[in-house]
Amino acid sequence: ILNVEQSPQSLHVQEGDSTNFTCSFPSSNFYALHWYRWETAKSPEALFVMTLNGDEKKKGRISATLNTKEGYSYLYIKGSQPEDSATYLCAFNSGTASKLTFGTGTRLQVTL
Amino acid sequence: DTAVSQTPKYLVTQMGNDKSIKCEQNLGHDTMYWYKQDSKKFLKIMFSYNNKELIINETVPNRFSPKSPDKAHLNLHINSLELGDSAVYFCASSQDRGLGNTEAFFGQGTRLTVV
Repeated sequence: ILNVEQSPQSLHVQEGDSTNFTCSFPSSNFYALHWYRWETAKSPEALFVMTLNGDEKKKGRISATLNTKEGYSYLYIKGSQPEDSATYLCAFNSGTASKLTFGTGTRLQVTL
Repeated sequence: DTAVSQTPKYLVTQMGNDKSIKCEQNLGHDTMYWYKQDSKKFLKIMFSYNNKELIINETVPNRFSPKSPDKAHLNLHINSLELGDSAVYFCASSQDRGLGNTEAFFGQGTRLTVV
């Protein structure tokens, strides 16, 4: 059983705050780590797919880092906006099968 | 244009009935998936098809049967529905079956309620 854990479970920040969340995954048999953004009543949408240890990816105000040796990834949001409110999911792919094992997500709420 | 579309969006049915959920993707992807969002909000893989061939079949009751008439479609048929089948079911597709360098694209989900 693959354990993918995310923390915190939920987060409430004010507009303009910067924030970050953690995804922990098994450090053995690593193939890829995905981050998805999931707004209420919509489909999960991919933010990043990361494969290399030390990788850092950025999309606008959102960035992510990856440490495959210790089994964690951080997602950062700089200057949070209300439209960033969503659940952020990470998903681990061990490569042994064509599937993603998801964490339960971090629910972010950004208020004015 | 919706890339991955599922129908219906909502489905309420009685125990013991047989129902199907349809999924279509217009992205030209080779691999399609069914995920179930359980009561703890986890997204769990159920099935994966690559070019109409079943490649993942997780521990799912055999009342659940996926059918892929072509690589753009992956339908989920459920026999003898039980209360515990109530959940949100998500279809997804990806270009790469290994999900190494490509992301999964998800449908909007089908909320199944068994009464």
